[in-house]
Amino acid sequence: DTEVTQTPKHLVMGMTNKKSLKCEQHMGHRAMYWYKQKAKKPPELMFVYSYEKLSINESVPSRFSPECPNSSLLNLHLHALQPEDSALYLCASSQDLGQGYNEQFFGPGTRLTVL
Amino acid sequence: AQSVTQLDSQVPVFEEAPVELRCNYSSSVSVYLFWYVQYPNQGLQLLLKYLSGSTLVKGINGFEAEFNKSQTSFHLRKPSVHISDTAEYFCAVSRYSSASKIIFGSGTRLSIRP
Repeated sequence: DTEVTQTPKHLVMGMTNKKSLKCEQHMGHRAMYWYKQKAKKPPELMFVYSYEKLSINESVPSRFSPECPNSSLLNLHLHALQPEDSALYLCASSQDLGQGYNEQFFGPGTRLTVL
Repeated sequence: AQSVTQLDSQVPVFEEAPVELRCNYSSSVSVYLFWYVQYPNQGLQLLLKYLSGSTLVKGINGFEAEFNKSQTSFHLRKPSVHISDTAEYFCAVSRYSSASKIIFGSGTRLSIRP
C-alpha cells in the first residue's frame, strides 16, 4: 500500500469554527509533512514530524496546530482561520528524514475554504 | 541554500508532439533531483528522480530527464504527449543529508491541444 489518504476532501468553515484535517499512511514511514498550496503555486512546507515528534515548524501561525498521535496518523487542527488561509492542504510521508533520496508520497489534499 | 528555476510557467503543445520542460537548480551542496506531477485536483506524484549514476533517468508515463552537472540542469522530456499529460509539473531538489525539506520550482503548466 503506497497510499496517503486525507479527509475530508473539501472543507468550508467560518472564521470562528474549529475543524481538523486528517492524514493517514500505512507504509511504515516515520516522517510526515503538512504543506499548504495556493492556486498556481508550488507547495509550501508548514510542519514536519519525525518519529512522531515535531521536527520543523516553518513559522506557521498558531491558528494551525499539528498533532501526530501515532506513526500512521497526522492531524492538523484549525481554529480562528482567516480567508487568506483558503488553500489546498497536502499531507506527505517519507521513510525518514535521514537521506535526501527518500521521496515524499503525497495525499490528494483537502481543499479548504474559509468564509 | 538551494533554489530551483523552472523557466517556463506554461507550455502549450499539440497532442503527439514532443515536449521539454526546463529546470535549472543552484546549490552549494550536493543534491538529489526530482520531477513531480500534479494532475488537476490531485496531490503530487513522483515522475522520476536522479540519485547518481547514468545521467539519463527514465520515469513513469514515458517521461525521462537528463541531469547535466555542468549546466546545473535537469530537463524533463517526452517524445510524444497525450491529452492525459495535461498537468502541473514541479522540479525539486533535496539535500544529500536530509529529506526534511524539498525545494520546489515554481511549476510548469503543460497543456495539450488536440
